[in-house]
Amino acid sequence: AQSVTQPDIHITVSEGASLELRCNYSYGATPYLFWYVQSPGQGLQLLLKYFSGDTLVQGIKGFEAEFKRSQSSFNLRKPSVHWSDAAEYFCAVGLFGAAGNKLTFGGGTRVLVKP
Amino acid sequence: GAGVSQSPSNKVTEKGKDVELRCDPISGHTALYWYRQSLGQGLEFLIYFQGNSAPDKSGLPSDRFSAERTGGSVSTLTIQRTQQEDSAVYLCASSLAMGLDEKLFFGSGTQLSVL
Repeated sequence: AQSVTQPDIHITVSEGASLELRCNYSYGATPYLFWYVQSPGQGLQLLLKYFSGDTLVQGIKGFEAEFKRSQSSFNLRKPSVHWSDAAEYFCAVGLFGAAGNKLTFGGGTRVLVKP
Repeated sequence: GAGVSQSPSNKVTEKGKDVELRCDPISGHTALYWYRQSLGQGLEFLIYFQGNSAPDKSGLPSDRFSAERTGGSVSTLTIQRTQQEDSAVYLCASSLAMGLDEKLFFGSGTQLSVL
């Protein structure tokens, strides 16, 4: 069965500093990979996704993520964090096929931004 | 509407009561998902509807949980004889079609509290 691990429950970063959120997955084939953000009082929003091709994908709000097959990782990065980036971030692995369609989410990483 | 709408936004109920949670997907979206987000945990897949196909119920935690989708649009998630461990945020999401390359749009969720 597929699984997703986000090792960091909380991360605190200063505004303007860089941010990296870790995501490791377990899946038998090339996965569909996603990052979602949940801002306070709002629903989940897709930041970016990877299906194939270039392993460095660009998303919204200045985020990017890199797929590394050898490490089974899909880490999310942002060069310079803004206070509005304070939120919870979820990595997800997608399964599409005869077994059905579903996203398996990681436990989430809560990002706090210090002024 | 412009987005996925869920109601109620908050529900407080007594242990043993039944509850119904409603989801209005984006008009025209054929795929609809229910997820549960418990405190301190990630997003847990519950059930998936795609058009007129039989739903994927593999994530429902017990037979107290059921869901239906009438007319391929509105969906209702029913929890019978609620237990305290059912307390969570229940999230609905929809997408235009079946593939995971279709963007999922999430509602803001229903916060369920079982006393």
